[in-house]
Parts: sequence; C-alpha cells; structure tokens
Amino acid sequence: EPEVTQTPSHQVTQMGQEVILRCVPISNHLYFYWYRQILGQKVEFLVSFYNNEISEKSEIFDDQFSVERPDGSNFTLKIRSTKLEDSAMYFCASRSTSGGAYEQYFGPGTRLTVT
Amino acid sequence: SQQGEEDPQALSIQEGENATMNCSYKTSINNLQWYRQNSGRGLVHLILIRSNEREKHSGRLRVTLDTSKKSSSLLITASRAADTASYFCATLVSGNTGKLIFGQGTTLQVKP
Repeated sequence: EPEVTQTPSHQVTQMGQEVILRCVPISNHLYFYWYRQILGQKVEFLVSFYNNEISEKSEIFDDQFSVERPDGSNFTLKIRSTKLEDSAMYFCASRSTSGGAYEQYFGPGTRLTVT
Repeated sequence: SQQGEEDPQALSIQEGENATMNCSYKTSINNLQWYRQNSGRGLVHLILIRSNEREKHSGRLRVTLDTSKKSSSLLITASRAADTASYFCATLVSGNTGKLIFGQGTTLQVKP
C-alpha cells in the first residue's frame, strides 16, 4: 500500500541553524501539507501546497519557514533559523483530489530537537 | 476559538469493553475525521464522516455526527490492548483548502 515517507526520523540541530525536512508524498496525490505537534499538544496546521504554490498557511508559518517541491516526488519544509520553540514532531501529509477524497495520509513524522 | 475539542482527555478501560470518545467543534464543517496516533508515531486515518451523514461504521468503529450540536462521537467496540493510543478528531472546515483542525485528543488505555 502506498504511504507517505519522511526523512530524517529525528533531527537534532542548534538554535539558529537551518534545517530541511523531507517528505515523499503518495505518488498520485496533488495536495500536500505540513503539520507540527509540540510534545503533549495537539497537531497544528502549518501550510498547504497545491499546483506548485502555497494555498494556505497558518500564523505559525512565518518568514522563517518555506516549502518547496523541488522535483516530482519530494516535498520539503525548510526552517531558516531554528528557535528552541521549533522543537516538535513535524508531519507531512498528502491527499488525492479524485472523487472528493478528503482523507489525508500522514507520514511517520520527523522529530526536530533544537538545542 | 478552539475547534475540535475531545473529551474525555484520558480513558482507561478493560479489554472487551467499549470506548466512547466525544468531539465538539465550533464552525461549519465539510467533514469530520478521526485519527489514531500510537505513542511517538504518525497519524493513522480511521474514518471520515461527511456533514450530511449522521452515522458511519467501519469494523469495530462507529462514528456519529450531530451537526446541530456540532459534535461527534467515536465508539470502539470490544476493545483490545492494541487499541491503546491517542485518538484525535479533525475537522475540515467548509470552503478551505483542505487543512485539518485537530482537537487535543483522547488518550485511551486498554488494559489486558
């Protein structure tokens, strides 16, 4: 069964460093998302991406964040200058557009630890 | 305002019992989805119920939706130890680009 994959599973970085989190969505999906979950808290929407552009972003997704689909398979989230409060699990998700399908399929997540 | 608030926050039951979790939301929705998360892992989609549906079944799962009360419930029947996980409701708000708004979740522990 197709699945969303994410790399790395765990990233440790120092405050102020840039990180790139990578995702490979399900191949025939056209909508892509990033969410994050701070330890012990709920999952929060960051950004949605469709047709090679951001379709919606949350207040969390400030100028330090960017997303890119550099090729036909990868979808990346970049944090330019990490802060301690960026420590969280980051989930990528994708969904199909066919038949009004709204189920989003989530990857296993990348645990980002900023020290 | 908070969208998608679950109760209870934590639930502990014996294997074989039924588990019921509730979710309330505030805005109009297109659909409501339930996800499961094992500790430290990703989110697994369980079931989706559209705003024009009232009840849906999938295996041991039963979901109800009451749009007049803006609430939903997830029932897991004949629970198993393997059902131990956190369960989240997520709403797809009408007219948006498909972002899901998650609740705080219910942590379910099923004791063998």
